Amino acid sequence: EAQVTQNPRYLITVTGKKLTVTCSQNMNHEYMSWYRQDPGLGLRQIYYSMNVEVTDKGDVPEGYKVSRKEKRNFPLILESPSPNQTSLYFCASTAGALSYEQYFGPGTRLTVT
Amino acid sequence: GEDVEQSLFLSVREGDSSVINCTYTDSSSTYLYWYKQEPGAGLQLLTYIFSNMDMKQDQRLTVLLNKKDKHLSLRIADTQTGDSAIYFCAEKSGNNFNKFYFGSGTKLNVKP
Repeated sequence: EAQVTQNPRYLITVTGKKLTVTCSQNMNHEYMSWYRQDPGLGLRQIYYSMNVEVTDKGDVPEGYKVSRKEKRNFPLILESPSPNQTSLYFCASTAGALSYEQYFGPGTRLTVT
Repeated sequence: GEDVEQSLFLSVREGDSSVINCTYTDSSSTYLYWYKQEPGAGLQLLTYIFSNMDMKQDQRLTVLLNKKDKHLSLRIADTQTGDSAIYFCAEKSGNNFNKFYFGSGTKLNVKP
């Protein structure tokens, strides 16, 4: 089954404790992206990757890092989480830049206290 | 970044039609989308329209695109209680194919 998986689905952590949210897709997609969803703001793009070792900033990259060492994986790293990063995070993948459809993961709800 | 705007709430009665509206600023948009998000779930692609089209119909869903006014709408015919969800409008930038912009979402409440 074609899918995007994220782990963990729920995470409660404390300010300053480094964390990684993993994302994996099994569709051999070139393009992957991370979003955060906040009430009243919709989804905002954090980072995206066009292929292995190629990443770029979205609209809200501050406080986040990403890496793309393998085509299937695109982890989101919070080196020093802060309470304003409490949010619902979605990973998505697309076959390529000209493809119309993004496939979304189930989401990771992160709470930073 | 580009702006995509939607009203936050819509309430309709079961069996009525629902119309959810969206405006956007990116004149170079390539694709425009409607996603559905049910409580506690991810985003499900409902339908999309290419920017050179005016209308697309898919069963109970009708998408209208007015490119001149940068206005997109989603009409759901014979709305059911199972249609209650948040609906997001989104666009894929034509200036940067890697960038997608989402609206804030419209919460549709369907009353029995």
